[in-house]
Amino acid sequence: RKEVEQDPGPFNVPEGATVAFNCTYSNSASQSFFWYRQDCRKEPKLLMSVYSSGNEDGRFTAQLNRASQYISLLIRDSKLSDSATYLCGPYNQGGKLIFGQGTELSVKP
Amino acid sequence: DVKVTQSSRYLVKRTGEKVFLECVQDMDHENMFWYRQDPGLGLRLIYFSYDVKMKEKGDIPEGYSVSREKKERFSLILESASTNQTSMYLCASSLVGGQSTQYFGPGTRLTVL
Repeated sequence: RKEVEQDPGPFNVPEGATVAFNCTYSNSASQSFFWYRQDCRKEPKLLMSVYSSGNEDGRFTAQLNRASQYISLLIRDSKLSDSATYLCGPYNQGGKLIFGQGTELSVKP
Repeated sequence: DVKVTQSSRYLVKRTGEKVFLECVQDMDHENMFWYRQDPGLGLRLIYFSYDVKMKEKGDIPEGYSVSREKKERFSLILESASTNQTSMYLCASSLVGGQSTQYFGPGTRLTVL
């Protein structure tokens, strides 16, 4: 089983929609997690970290479900500029990150 | 503002050539990383370094080596490039600590013919 699994998508949604994607992880000892955003042909950038049950930043909410070993990212009121690939995974010892393969989101007018 | 720069955005090399990819960060970060990114496979860690002259293998180190002679610079070396090393290579840096943000460079698209 892969350490981190994400639905690659693409998720095609209209502007204003609410969209959510999940990220499952295999190591039950993982304590904290991240979501990075990668625009087309650009480098990944940190969107948010998730340390306990969840985190919220404006239209973006991340939740952690330890029992089922997944984290989710919810985007409300989607904007065209939200179109990107979203990468998730757990923080690991020593600052290493374990990335999933990413979920592609396309927001249409 | 953290800045991570990579020596080339695009590189074309021939099979068997020795290839150097350079990465420089300007924020005095202790940790530096090299990844490759391929469609459907995501980001995979090749090597990382916690300090000058220190290096550790990541998940896919075969065919690669690294050098870190100065804190700000981390080089990835392909001793004898092969076609299966055609990929996007991304460098990143971070402060020491288990949950530090990694800052990525713009990437180098390497094509090996």
